[in-house]
Amino acid sequence: KAGVTQTPRYLIKTRGQQVTLSCSPISGHRSVSWYQQTPGQGLQFLFEYFSETQRNKGNFPGRFSGRQFSNSRSEMNVSTLELGDSALYLCASSLVPGADQPQHFGDGTRLSIL
Amino acid sequence: DQQVKQNSPSLSVQEGRISILNCDYTNSMFDYFLWYKKYPAEGPTFLISISSIKDKNEDGRFTVFLNKSAKHLSLHIVPSQPGDSAVYFCAAKNNFNKFYFGSGTKLNVKP
Repeated sequence: KAGVTQTPRYLIKTRGQQVTLSCSPISGHRSVSWYQQTPGQGLQFLFEYFSETQRNKGNFPGRFSGRQFSNSRSEMNVSTLELGDSALYLCASSLVPGADQPQHFGDGTRLSIL
Repeated sequence: DQQVKQNSPSLSVQEGRISILNCDYTNSMFDYFLWYKKYPAEGPTFLISISSIKDKNEDGRFTVFLNKSAKHLSLHIVPSQPGDSAVYFCAAKNNFNKFYFGSGTKLNVKP
């Protein structure tokens, strides 16, 4: 069974640009969450999608947005990139939200802002 | 607001001995707790979890303990193996299905 797939694995952008990251969840999983990981900060929750609707949102500025498609695939967009956006962006999927079940993570997209 | 804290950034243990990783949380509404292991250049891998209605869950060499009164979670690895060397994250879920993660503890198991 294929795991969570994130593309691209690495990305280099410059300040002011925008970027779109993609996540394909495990087959059958309908809930997708996004996290930002920076050194020493752990994983910071960005948002969660289920049935193409955003269910939860973390404390990030409006430059960070996302969406989910009918096949449960999800994209995350960051506009007007800043140096501080350099991080590992992780996507996690689970069957449905609310149940006591783990989220399963992809290997992430390493975003570097120059 | 760091609702889940791992106060030890690193831990070094001899192969064959017990590794104990600790985690504290502040929100009494958390109802599900998890541990993840992360190797460099890979995403976190789910290790073991525990519901708030239990105080212990065991899976092979891994045991998670939950002390709700102390708001404390721990992971015991017995015996520790060099392949266990990784960063370990604890996580907690609230009743809105929002997950909170600690900042991680880097475990080094020495041969």
